[in-house]
Amino acid sequence: DAKTTQPNSMESNEEEPVHLPCNHSTISGTDYIHWYRQLPSQGPEYVIHGLTSNVNNRMASLAIAEDRKSSTLILHRATLRDAAVYYCILRDGFRQGAQKLVFGQGTRLTINP
Amino acid sequence: NAGVMQNPRHLVRRRGQEARLRCSPMKGHSHVYWYRQLPEEGLKFMVYLQKENIIDESGMPKERFSAEFPKEGPSILRIQQVVRGDSAAYFCASSPRQDQETQYFGPGTRLLVL
Repeated sequence: DAKTTQPNSMESNEEEPVHLPCNHSTISGTDYIHWYRQLPSQGPEYVIHGLTSNVNNRMASLAIAEDRKSSTLILHRATLRDAAVYYCILRDGFRQGAQKLVFGQGTRLTINP
Repeated sequence: NAGVMQNPRHLVRRRGQEARLRCSPMKGHSHVYWYRQLPEEGLKFMVYLQKENIIDESGMPKERFSAEFPKEGPSILRIQQVVRGDSAAYFCASSPRQDQETQYFGPGTRLLVL
């Protein structure tokens, strides 16, 4: 599985935008970029995913670099409930069969009131 | 549509006892994954099952651990003769089909071995 690199921790203030970076320099052409987050004492939850184009949903936006070697998860207006560990994960979108998720250490996001 | 359900949420066992963790996938989902999260660590894949079949058990410890997903009923992760190192949070996830992009996670079972 291709590897991702994320900062161990980040801190932001409530109601401000947050940009969470992820490096994946060995990404292959068929790898999708997925983001999950894990709130304290809960199971992970899906946030967003994309292949080449930037993606938006109700939770966040995903900005993917043109060379796809990095991406950024954007929380447009952070709230205290966004405090979590955020995981950037690569999944091969064209491989047959289901695939396990390979979690790294993720980025622990702290939101200050 | 209820989410993925896991029970018990907390389980305490003494060394040498058996632990049984249950996972009921979301309605309509026939694919189940189990992950383990040791204290202060990330989640690690253990096993992937479809109804009545183990598809990928590459993350399962070779001994004492087993998993099943019967035709009827929840998926069960069984740990025999538990040791303190088995203390962890065990998460189950489900998806409706094998190529589904998203896995939906349950709240986890926190196992403490005394």
